[in-house]
Amino acid sequence: AQSVAQPEDQVNVAEGNPLTVKCTYSVSGNPYLFWYVQYPNRGLQFLLKYITGDNLVKGSYGFEAEFNKSQTSFHLKKPSALVSDSALYFCAVRDISNDKIIFGKGTRLHILP
Amino acid sequence: DAGVIQSPRHEVTEMGQEVTLRCKPISGHDYLFWYRQTMMRGLELLIYFNNNVPIDDSGMPEDRFSAKMPNASFSTLKIQPSEPRDSAVYFCASSLVLGQVVGYGYTFGSGTRLTVV
Repeated sequence: AQSVAQPEDQVNVAEGNPLTVKCTYSVSGNPYLFWYVQYPNRGLQFLLKYITGDNLVKGSYGFEAEFNKSQTSFHLKKPSALVSDSALYFCAVRDISNDKIIFGKGTRLHILP
Repeated sequence: DAGVIQSPRHEVTEMGQEVTLRCKPISGHDYLFWYRQTMMRGLELLIYFNNNVPIDDSGMPEDRFSAKMPNASFSTLKIQPSEPRDSAVYFCASSLVLGQVVGYGYTFGSGTRLTVV
């Protein structure tokens, strides 16, 4: 069965420092991977996706994610964190058996001023 | 487009009452999804529609839950009777495609926070 795991419930980063939010996946076949962000009292917003091609995918708000096939990881990164990046981040994978999107449990990112 | 619109934003109801949540998807999106978000279980897909037809309702927790999509611009999720364990944030989302291979993913509404007391 397809699945994603976000091993950290919460990540704290000082403003201006680089940030990483971790995600590992388990799929049969080629993975289609996604990151979403949820700000307080809002729905999820699409950040970026990996379908094929370059392992480094660039998305919205200066975020990028690195696909690593050997480590089955798709970590979300940003070179310099902003306080406004504080939010809940979800990794997701497409289940090829039924095309549904499976979301991880989410990681809460706190950027400290 | 104003995005996916959900109403109400907040709902507080007593156990045993009927609750109806509403959603207006983005015009032209063929897929509509209902999700439930809780601290314990994260984000769960309850049901999704394609061209107004329910395709997969395997995530609907019990017969107390039902969803309809009478036309391309409106869907409802109904809980009858409601129970305290139904308290959660319910999201509606819409999309052009199912697997997000093309386009920019699902568009989510702002959610309905349901509290059953």
